Amino acid sequence: SQTIHQWPATLVQPVGSPLSLECTVEGTSNPNLYWYRQAAGRGLQLLFYSVGIGQISSEVPQNLSASRPQDRQFILSSKKLLLSDSGFYLCAWAGQLNTEAFFGQGTRLTVV
Amino acid sequence: KQEVTQIPAALSVPEGENLVLNCSFTDSAIYNLQWFRQDPGKGLTSLLLIQSSQREQTSGRLNASLDKSSGRSTLYIAASQPGDSATYLCAPGTGANNLFFGTGTRLTVIP
Repeated sequence: SQTIHQWPATLVQPVGSPLSLECTVEGTSNPNLYWYRQAAGRGLQLLFYSVGIGQISSEVPQNLSASRPQDRQFILSSKKLLLSDSGFYLCAWAGQLNTEAFFGQGTRLTVV
Repeated sequence: KQEVTQIPAALSVPEGENLVLNCSFTDSAIYNLQWFRQDPGKGLTSLLLIQSSQREQTSGRLNASLDKSSGRSTLYIAASQPGDSATYLCAPGTGANNLFFGTGTRLTVIP
């Protein structure tokens, strides 16, 4: 069966520090991968999605970047965090043909 | 850009009641629509997926309907239980499986 792992679960980082959040999927190949952010009182916002290794599409211009170095690995990064980067970050995967999407357990990021 | 609205924003019902959650979206050119539940501080759990060619989908006490042309979907929960308490999110899907979310309906089922 397919599983999705996301870590860490919580993170407190000072303003200006770098960020690296990792997401891996098991039990499937060539998935579509997604990073979402959920800010307090707001809906989930799609940040990045990837349909293959090295292929990244950005939905919202911001202080973040994403990379997909391996088929089932998706990384969210920042060189210098801002206070506004605080939020709940969720990784998700789906099949290639408009199939069901599955989410990880999320990372609560607090920038102080 | 797709905009998703869920009404009501919050709902409190006694245990055992049947209830309906509403979802509307502005762009009817969707491939599918998915309903999720989210427990506080947790990720999303997929409940139901309806393809654009389908009218409804059922799983246990849950039934979701889709009226693509009018941009609406409903989630029907039968015989609600305290364990159903969570935030429910609908997400229409467009190209490349991009899902668009509203702010959800926060459901509380009172024992």
